[in-house]
Amino acid sequence: AQSVTQLDSQVPVFEEAPVELRCNYSSSVSVYLFWYVQYPNQGLQLLLKYLSGSTLVKGINGFEAEFNKSQTSFHLRKPSVHISDTAEYFCAVSVGTGANNLFFGTGTRLTVIP
Amino acid sequence: GAVVSQHPSRVICKSGTSVKIECRSLDFQATTMFWYRQFPKQSLMLMATSNEGSKATYEQGVEKDKFLINHASLTLSTLTVTSAHPEDSSFYICSARDSGRFKGADTQYFGPGTRLTVL
Repeated sequence: AQSVTQLDSQVPVFEEAPVELRCNYSSSVSVYLFWYVQYPNQGLQLLLKYLSGSTLVKGINGFEAEFNKSQTSFHLRKPSVHISDTAEYFCAVSVGTGANNLFFGTGTRLTVIP
Repeated sequence: GAVVSQHPSRVICKSGTSVKIECRSLDFQATTMFWYRQFPKQSLMLMATSNEGSKATYEQGVEKDKFLINHASLTLSTLTVTSAHPEDSSFYICSARDSGRFKGADTQYFGPGTRLTVL
């Protein structure tokens, strides 16, 4: 079975500071990895995804994530956050050749402090 | 590209009535769509997988007679909450999987969600 762990439920950070949101997964097979962002009262927007190839993935809004197979992690990073980055961030895993059966983490609330 | 819309964005209804929520993929075809439910400050819970032209696959614990799903075309899936009760109040989000063979085929694209409040 697959599972996703986001250890940090809330991450406060000052504006223009760097941030890392942690995501660990467990799976006995190869996985696809995703980060989604959810702004208040909205659906999820895809930030970035890892399907194969380079383990460093760059996404929208200046975010990037690195797939680490040995540590089963897919942490999300941004070197300098803005107020507008305040949102809920979800890490997700899917198994197989398609994006069926997405397993979501419990989310991390990023709050950027002016 | 890869835009998914939902309608309505919010709905308030009386207990006992039925509510239909539409999910559309605007610029791609989606043989597979998904319906999620999200409780306040929690993650998304998959309710069912909707396949065009066939019956939906429901997750364990989700009542198929309560949550009717129809996926009649490659761009439209509907979720009908029948005989809604206050405990059905929630944020319902749909997603669509790009059926194309090329870039994006391994990704679910999400709609903006529908806030259902049952009085």
